[in-house]
Amino acid sequence: RKEVEQDPGPFNVPEGATVAFNCTYSNSASQSFFWYRQDCRKEPKLLMSVYSSGNEDGRFTAQLNRASQYISLLIRDSKLSDSATYLCARPGSNSGYALNFGKGTSLLVTP
Amino acid sequence: EPEVTQTPSHQVTQMGQEVILRCVPISNHLYFYWYRQILGQKVEFLVSFYNNEISEKSEIFDDQFSVERPDGSNFTLKIRSTKLEDSAMYFCASSGGLRYEQYFGPGTRLTVT
Repeated sequence: RKEVEQDPGPFNVPEGATVAFNCTYSNSASQSFFWYRQDCRKEPKLLMSVYSSGNEDGRFTAQLNRASQYISLLIRDSKLSDSATYLCARPGSNSGYALNFGKGTSLLVTP
Repeated sequence: EPEVTQTPSHQVTQMGQEVILRCVPISNHLYFYWYRQILGQKVEFLVSFYNNEISEKSEIFDDQFSVERPDGSNFTLKIRSTKLEDSAMYFCASSGGLRYEQYFGPGTRLTVT
């Protein structure tokens, strides 16, 4: 059973475009979810935390839809530097708060 | 800005050898984690550590693996007898609280030959 699923992409978008990714999850009572950004062969870097309904930080907006069990990440006015893999993560239900990651969605922003 | 550090950045070892991967978590953090990522695959949880003991481990974290916090700053992952399939990026992470965000170190690339 896959707990966190993401469309692998790649999403190829021109600079300035708006792009959105979804991440679906199963069987979770988690109160929080996370979006990480991972560049090639680098560590995941925390992009946004998603609590309750959503979060916004500059060009990035994350939303949580509990009824449909998905979270989304919207990137407005895409920059070349946004090119990366975006990982969705949710904590497990056990005591250690281990993060379950999706496989990630690849974004390529082109000039 | 405080960050998690890891050494070495790349470790090459022969099958059957022991390796120790080192991490220095963010100084005021209390929860520590190890994850791994095999090339082309997703990030997978190995173990979490709090108050000098393991709080959770995955099925990957078998008897060949152990973790330790030998002093007030380092957090180590030991693999006793490496296998070819242990080749991966190993990431250390830390957080300030149980439900807080986890911050990752730059990783150690382990290559088992």
